[in-house]
Amino acid sequence: DAGVIQSPRHEVTEMGQEVTLRCKPISGHNSLFWYRQTMMRGLELLIYFNNNVPIDDSGMPEDRFSAKMPNASFSTLKIQPSEPRDSAVYFCASSSWTSGASYNEQFFGPGTRLTVL
Amino acid sequence: LAKTTQPISMDSYEGQEVNITCSHNNIATNDYITWYQQFPSQGPRFIIQGYKTKVTNEVASLFIPADRKSSTLSLPRVSLSDTAVYYCLVDRGDDKIIFGKGTRLHILP
Repeated sequence: DAGVIQSPRHEVTEMGQEVTLRCKPISGHNSLFWYRQTMMRGLELLIYFNNNVPIDDSGMPEDRFSAKMPNASFSTLKIQPSEPRDSAVYFCASSSWTSGASYNEQFFGPGTRLTVL
Repeated sequence: LAKTTQPISMDSYEGQEVNITCSHNNIATNDYITWYQQFPSQGPRFIIQGYKTKVTNEVASLFIPADRKSSTLSLPRVSLSDTAVYYCLVDRGDDKIIFGKGTRLHILP
């Protein structure tokens, strides 16, 4: 099992440019999560999908951020235009969620380190 | 979701047992206590989960008293490789979980 795959692993861009982060969840998982981690704010949930449908996007900081999940094996997080304060590590995680299950273990990818100059 | 409180950081020495306590005073009946571990430059990974009493696996033990308002993660005989951030979470079994700041554990030689 390859685990959650994220690309790119590192991204350096200039302010104002569009950035697209990609995630391939574990095959068979039906929930996908995007997190952002910084020293100041810790690990923040941005948005999550269940069966490819966005369920909660209350963590998305502003309209510059958007996320899509066109199918069960692929998701993107886009920032347009990017700003220096968007610099962070962005993690994608997936899980196999079952209604009524006692817990829901999330499997995290290696993250994408984004630097906006 | 119930809020959790845990120490910001801890230091210990190799070979010792480390106990990290987390308080969750507002835990609900259906909530489980879950711990994740995050090594530098990696995403968090699940290590243990419990509802009450004691749970043990190959990585750690989790002690939960009868009132469930706190829990203690116990790492036996730590090594340098156990240096990581440990997150205590309250998990209701729905999709969403909230990570706090965690406890930064530093193991010294």
